[in-house]
Amino acid sequence: AQTVTQSQPEMSVQEAETVTLSCTYDTSESNYYLFWYKQPPSRQMILVIRQEAYKQQNATENRFSVNFQKAAKSFSLKISDSQLGDTAMYFCAFMKYNNNDMRFGAGTRLTVKP
Amino acid sequence: DTEVTQTPKHLVMGMTNKKSLKCEQHMGHRAMYWYKQKAKKPPELMFVYSYEKLSINESVPSRFSPECPNSSLLNLHLHALQPEDSALYLCASRGNSYNEQFFGPGTRLTVL
Repeated sequence: AQTVTQSQPEMSVQEAETVTLSCTYDTSESNYYLFWYKQPPSRQMILVIRQEAYKQQNATENRFSVNFQKAAKSFSLKISDSQLGDTAMYFCAFMKYNNNDMRFGAGTRLTVKP
Repeated sequence: DTEVTQTPKHLVMGMTNKKSLKCEQHMGHRAMYWYKQKAKKPPELMFVYSYEKLSINESVPSRFSPECPNSSLLNLHLHALQPEDSALYLCASRGNSYNEQFFGPGTRLTVL
C-alpha cells in the first residue's frame, strides 16, 4: 500500500521569505503522480502543483516549485516570496497511474506572519 | 467552466432525518468522488464513480448512499446519521489528462 508522510505538522514563515514543506512517500510503483494541495481556512482544496513521476524536471508554478527526488521518494514544496494568502493547510498526495485512489499525507499547517 | 459546485454549503440534521448532498461539474470529467474530512485531518475517500462504475470504501457505513444520475452529477443520500458523522463533505472530479482532482467547496454537515 502507498503511504504519504508529512513530518512537519506546523510551520511558520515571515512574509516575503522562502519556506520548504517536506513530503515522503512509499511505493513500489514506477508510474504515478504527486500533488500538493492547499486548503485555506475558507476550506476549499486547491491544487497547487502536480508532478508526473516519469518527468525528471521539477514542476514549477509561479512562486511554487517542487524538489522531486524519485530514488529517495521525496517530494518537497518550496514557496518563494511567501504571502499572507499562503496561510493554509498543505496536503501532499500520491496517485498511481490510471487509478482512482488518491492518498493524502496528514498535512502541514503553514502560517505566514506579517 | 472549471468549477465543482456543491449544495448546500451548510446542513444541520437530526439523527432521524433524510437529506441529500449534491455535487455538479461541467468539465467533462468521468470520475467523481465523495470524501469526508474531519477538522485538521486529510480527506478520507468514501466513494468513487468512474465511468459510471461505483467503487466503495468498505469502511463507510450504509447510512451513506451515493448516486450518480449522470456523468456531471453526484449525490450523497444521508439517512439515520450519527453525531460522529458531523464533518466537511467534499466532492471532487478527476481531470482526464493528468489525474489531478478538482475539489468543490464542501458541505459542512452537523448531526444533532
